[in-house]
Amino acid sequence: GAVVSQHPSRVICKSGTSVKIECRSLDFQATTMFWYRQFPKQSLMLMATSNEGSKATYEQGVEKDKFLINHASLTLSTLTVTSAHPEDSSFYICSARVPQPGSNQPQHFGDGTRLSIL
Amino acid sequence: GENVEQHPSTLSVQEGDSAVIKCTYSDSASNYFPWYKQELGKRPQLIIDIRSNVGEKKDQRIAVTLNKTAKHFSLHITETQPEDSAVYFCAASRGNQGGKLIFGQGTELSVKP
Repeated sequence: GAVVSQHPSRVICKSGTSVKIECRSLDFQATTMFWYRQFPKQSLMLMATSNEGSKATYEQGVEKDKFLINHASLTLSTLTVTSAHPEDSSFYICSARVPQPGSNQPQHFGDGTRLSIL
Repeated sequence: GENVEQHPSTLSVQEGDSAVIKCTYSDSASNYFPWYKQELGKRPQLIIDIRSNVGEKKDQRIAVTLNKTAKHFSLHITETQPEDSAVYFCAASRGNQGGKLIFGQGTELSVKP
């Protein structure tokens, strides 16, 4: 159980293109999902918390107009990198928590999306 | 702001030896501490977690200890095997932030056969 699917796994596109990444919880409903960015040999940096039916909560320094997040259903959150540039190239990973009693429950991660902007 | 420091950044051990990775956190309200293992190019996978009402937790060759007073927690892997080689991340969160995790910098563990 607790499977999180992320798509696509790899994107290569030209500068100026907008790229949409999907994160789905396959066997549970997730009211909250998280989006991370990871540079090579570095840690996971939380970008934003995606809340079903409401606006995402962005971390300090993350441009909300650059990284659009939509969480329209209990099983799907999307991250759109708008007008992507080479500096946006990175590994993007989503995660979701299984809704169980108690506020602190494990997060399960998707496989990640490697974004390369030429 | 919240911060999690992780040491060492790299760790090399011989197969069969033990490995210990340590983390300290700054937010005294943190009450949940998971550990993730990430192989190259793959997703982080939860290997063990501990909550603040427990001082130690063990799962086969893996154990985690928590010292709330000192605000640090450690991962212990015994009888290491080559397949334990990966990057390990500690993290901390507190319940009133909706489960937001703050990650440590990661430790690259290499187990030599």
